[in-house]
Amino acid sequence: AQSVTQPDIHITVSEGASLELRCNYSYGATPYLFWYVQSPGQGLQLLLKYFSGDTLVQGIKGFEAEFKRSQSSFNLRKPSVHWSDAAEYFCAVGARSGNTPLVFGKGTRLSVIA
Amino acid sequence: DSGVTQTPKHLITATGQRVTLRCSPRSGDLSVYWYQQSLDQGLQFLIQYYNGEERAKGNILERFSAQQFPDLHSELNLSSLELGDSALYFCASSPRQPAYEQYFGPGTRLTVT
Repeated sequence: AQSVTQPDIHITVSEGASLELRCNYSYGATPYLFWYVQSPGQGLQLLLKYFSGDTLVQGIKGFEAEFKRSQSSFNLRKPSVHWSDAAEYFCAVGARSGNTPLVFGKGTRLSVIA
Repeated sequence: DSGVTQTPKHLITATGQRVTLRCSPRSGDLSVYWYQQSLDQGLQFLIQYYNGEERAKGNILERFSAQQFPDLHSELNLSSLELGDSALYFCASSPRQPAYEQYFGPGTRLTVT
């Protein structure tokens, strides 16, 4: 079964600074990979997804993520963080076969300071 | 707006009671998933339906049950409620099953007093 780890529980960055949120997965093959964002009291919104092809994936709100097979990672990046990016970010992994639903990481809370 | 709707938005009830949460998936999506999110447990997968059939079960208590109707909307029934059931309950839908991208509803906040 697949699993996903988000090593950072909480990250604080300054507005305008760059951001990288880490995600590592465990799966025997190349999985489907996703990043979601959740603002307080809201549902999860899909930021971006990787199925195949180009390992650098562009998403909404200026986010991108890079799939690195050798490191089993799918880190989320943004070159310049805005205060409105403060939220909880979840990485998720899905198996390409079988009947297993997505597995979500425990999330990374992002705080943005002026 | 993801296209997934959930009602009610908030629900306050007493211990021992039973409640029903409702979810309407995005148009055309056949899969519906239910999740529970609490501060101590994080996001927990409960159960998945695909075109009316149960397809996967996660950490769902026996006091909880769900179903998906022919029009594809789904209901999550929570009975004999305990204080610890207080949480955000999310529904998500996807066009395929099981590991395709999911679109989440706004959630139902359940408070058990």
